[in-house]
Amino acid sequence: NAGVTQTPKFRVLKTGQSMTLLCAQDMNHEYMYWYRQDPGMGLRLIHYSVGEGTTAKGEVPDGYNVSRLKKQNFLLGLESAAPSQTSVYFCASSYWGEGLDTGELFFGEGSRLTVL
Amino acid sequence: QQQVKQSPQSLIVQKGGISIINCAYENTAFDYFPWYQQFPGKGPALLIAIRPDVSEKKEGRFTISFNKSAKQFSLHIMDSQPGDSATYFCAGEDSNYQLIWGAGTKLIIKP
Repeated sequence: NAGVTQTPKFRVLKTGQSMTLLCAQDMNHEYMYWYRQDPGMGLRLIHYSVGEGTTAKGEVPDGYNVSRLKKQNFLLGLESAAPSQTSVYFCASSYWGEGLDTGELFFGEGSRLTVL
Repeated sequence: QQQVKQSPQSLIVQKGGISIINCAYENTAFDYFPWYQQFPGKGPALLIAIRPDVSEKKEGRFTISFNKSAKQFSLHIMDSQPGDSATYFCAGEDSNYQLIWGAGTKLIIKP
C-alpha cells in the first residue's frame, strides 16, 4: 500500500518554464489537496478537489492550475514558473473531507521545486 | 480572521522533559483542531486531534489541552525522547472543512 505518491521529488526550472507535478493515491479517497510549504509560513492550500472532475481554489491559487481527470490522480501545473514559486509542494488526500469521520489528511513526501 | 498563531518557532528540550507548543486562533467557527508531526524529508502525519467539546485529550505521551474561552490550545509531550524531534503543526478547521495551519514549531530533544 503506497498511500500518496508524488512525482517528481525534485525539479529545477528556469523562470518562464512550465511543469506538472503528479500526485497519485491508492486509498480511494474522494478529497485531494495541493499545498505549498515555505519556511515560517506553515502549509498553504493551493487547490483542492472534492471528487473526480472537480477542482476548487484554495488560499494561494495564482500561477497554478490543477486537474482531477481520474479519482486517484491530482495534477498541479505551473504554466510559467516564477522564482516566488520555489517551495516544497505537498499533495494530500482524505476520506470524506477534512474533519469528517476520520478527519485525517494523508500526505505524500513532497516535491521540492526550485525556480531560477 | 482565519489565522492560527503558533509558538514558539523553535524549542529545545532535554530528554525526559516536557515539550509544550501553543496555538491561538481567532475564528470561533473552527470546530476541529489537529496536530501534525513532520520529520525531515517527509510529509506531515496526523498525531492527535481534538474537538472543542472537550478540554483535554491524551494519547500516550501526547496531550492536547483546549481552552475554548481563550481560543487557545496546546500540545504537551511528556517524557520527551530524541525520536520526538520533528516539526509540529497545529491547525484549525473552518466551516468549509479547510484546515488553517500554524507556522510550525521545530522541536529538538537533546539526549
